[in-house]
Amino acid sequence: SQKIEQNSEALNIQEGKTATLTCNYTNYSPAYLQWYRQDPGRGPVFLLLIRENEKEKRKERLKVTFDTTLKQSLFHITASQPADSATYLCALNEAAGNKLTFGGGTRVLVKP
Amino acid sequence: GAGVSQSPSNKVTEKGKDVELRCDPISGHTALYWYRQSLGQGLEFLIYFQGNSAPDKSGLPSDRFSAERTGGSVSTLTIQRTQQEDSAVYLCASSTGRAGGTGELFFGEGSRLTVL
Repeated sequence: SQKIEQNSEALNIQEGKTATLTCNYTNYSPAYLQWYRQDPGRGPVFLLLIRENEKEKRKERLKVTFDTTLKQSLFHITASQPADSATYLCALNEAAGNKLTFGGGTRVLVKP
Repeated sequence: GAGVSQSPSNKVTEKGKDVELRCDPISGHTALYWYRQSLGQGLEFLIYFQGNSAPDKSGLPSDRFSAERTGGSVSTLTIQRTQQEDSAVYLCASSTGRAGGTGELFFGEGSRLTVL
């Protein structure tokens, strides 16, 4: 069966350190993978997209990698700040269409 | 408006009643999605509209759930004979839907449904 797995345990990290989140998938052949941020009581907000033929993407303090052999994406927040505390969701689509399927999300808590 | 608008933001209903949730997507966006999020969980895909194509209804959990998109714009998600397990936040999202596009989704703030 198809699965998208993110670590369900919250990630507690000290301010200034790098947070690394994992997204693993099974039985998908995604054309691209997206990462979203969700704050409590709000809708998710798009952060980054990485295509199947890209290894790495960066945006400010964020970095995403995509390994289609391992079927895994890593999401890094460098020089983390308390304002980065949120839940981070990965989502991917099949090459055939634009339907996006989401993982369960990982909550990040950055402590000052 | 500038973003995706959903109404009502909160709805409390009694078991067995019907509810309608509305979504106004970003103007010009041809793709519209409905997701459901239970407390502390990820997003569960419900239904996807793309232009004039037949919607992808593969995520609707039962025949009590239905959705329409009129005129390629506003969408209504209807839940008939609500059950307590229907309690969740219902999120709507839209995207440009362009072939080969990024498929980035713009979400509304959700409609929180509580079934007593």
